[in-house]
Amino acid sequence: QSALTQPPSASGSPGQSVAISCTGTSSDVGGYNYVSWYQQHPGKAPKLMIYEVSKRPSGVPDRFSGSKSGNTASLTVSGLQAEDEADYYCASHAGSMKGVFGTGTKVTV
Amino acid sequence: QVELVESGGGVVQPGTSLRLSCAASGFSFSTHGMHWVRQAPGKGLEWVAVTSYDGSNKYYVDSVKGRFTISRDNSKNTLYLQMNSLRVEDTAVYYCAKERTVVVAAEFDYWGQGTLVTVSS
Repeated sequence: QSALTQPPSASGSPGQSVAISCTGTSSDVGGYNYVSWYQQHPGKAPKLMIYEVSKRPSGVPDRFSGSKSGNTASLTVSGLQAEDEADYYCASHAGSMKGVFGTGTKVTV
Repeated sequence: QVELVESGGGVVQPGTSLRLSCAASGFSFSTHGMHWVRQAPGKGLEWVAVTSYDGSNKYYVDSVKGRFTISRDNSKNTLYLQMNSLRVEDTAVYYCAKERTVVVAAEFDYWGQGTLVTVSS
């Protein structure tokens, strides 16, 4: 049950793109197409941004996209906006109904 | 609309117990798995526990096994987390989170506002 590995920080100027990686193992990220991404602003609850690797919930801008290759998933935020500045966490199904989160990435715009 | 409201947090001494509650509304509670997720001050999210829709299957992160018990009362649309033998390292904001679909895949589409548990002597 080790946390998934994310870079501590990422940054970009308004309008640019930023990509965040999320590395796990074949027992979590690589074993299931149940990778999700969450955005968390300070003092707030997390918000689902991507589910099932690459699907967006209603209301999430299409600037947010997800992908996966092997044991590594990625979140890309295109056309960065000021309101995208937040902490981002990946999560994965880890077998037997369990979940595991990534270490988190602070995105600075 | 979906709403999850946690309660029961507070300041307790190491070795004592606390029970958290999460009142759910706006969706079919009895058909969805439910989770507890915690976040220590200034730290990342940590998955803690899950219960199946009917409470028949429950799983925990290793660090709380044998000390925490997740349960649910579908007649009251309420999720619980009984926390015993609390440790300083259990200090965190505890969130309840709803599984996105009836399949338990650890994908959380709604979260409560969180309740703070502080374990300190």
